[in-house]
Amino acid sequence: DAGVTQSPTHLIKTRGQQVTLRCSPKSGHDTVSWYQQALGQGPQFIFQYYEEEERQRGNFPDRFSGHQFPNYSSELNVNALLLGDSALYLCASSLYTGSANEKLFFGSGTQLSVL
Amino acid sequence: GQQVMQIPQYQHVQEGEDFTTYCNSSTTLSNIQWYKQRPGGHPVFLIQLVKSGEVKKQKRLTFQFGEAKKNSSLHITATQTTDVGTYFCADNAGNMLTFGGGTRLMVKP
Repeated sequence: DAGVTQSPTHLIKTRGQQVTLRCSPKSGHDTVSWYQQALGQGPQFIFQYYEEEERQRGNFPDRFSGHQFPNYSSELNVNALLLGDSALYLCASSLYTGSANEKLFFGSGTQLSVL
Repeated sequence: GQQVMQIPQYQHVQEGEDFTTYCNSSTTLSNIQWYKQRPGGHPVFLIQLVKSGEVKKQKRLTFQFGEAKKNSSLHITATQTTDVGTYFCADNAGNMLTFGGGTRLMVKP
C-alpha cells in the first residue's frame, strides 16, 4: 500500500523561475492538500484540492497555483520565485468524509531552494 | 486569522524525565490534531481531540483538550531517545490545518 509520494525530493531554482512539484496521494485517498514549511516553523496551509477543484486556499499569493488530476494526483506550481519561497513543500492526502475528522497523511516533501 | 501558539519552543530533557508541550489559542479551537516530525522527516499524525475536556492516552503519551477548547497539551512520561523530534499541534477547521510553531524535544541518553 503506497503512501504519499512526492517528486522531486530536492530542487534548486533561481529567482524569477517557475517550478512544478508533484504529489501522488495514498491509495484510496481523494483529497490533496499542500503545505509550506519554512525552516524551524510549522507547516502553513497553501490550498486543498478535491474533485479536481480548489476547495480552500490559505494566505498565499496567486503565484501559487495547483491542479488535481482525475487519478487524484496533484501538482503545485509556483511562478516568479522569490528567495522567501525556499522551504519544504509538503503534500498531504486524506479521504473526504465531510465530518472534519479527516486524518492527514504527509509525504516526505520537496525541499526547494531559491538562489 | 486563527493563530495557534505552542510553548516551549525547545526542551532538553534527560532520558527518563517527563516532557510536556502546550498549545494555546485566543479563539475557540475546532478540533485539535497532534503530529510528530522527526529531524529531516515529515509530520506524522498522532491523535485528534474533538470534545471539550477530552483526554486520550497512547502508551506513554497523554493528550488533553481544555474545557474551553482554547488549549491542549501533550505529556510524555519517562522520555526515551526515540521520542526526539518536533511536536506540532494543529487546529483542524474543516478543510485546513493551522499549525502551531512546534516544540522541539531533545533527549539526552
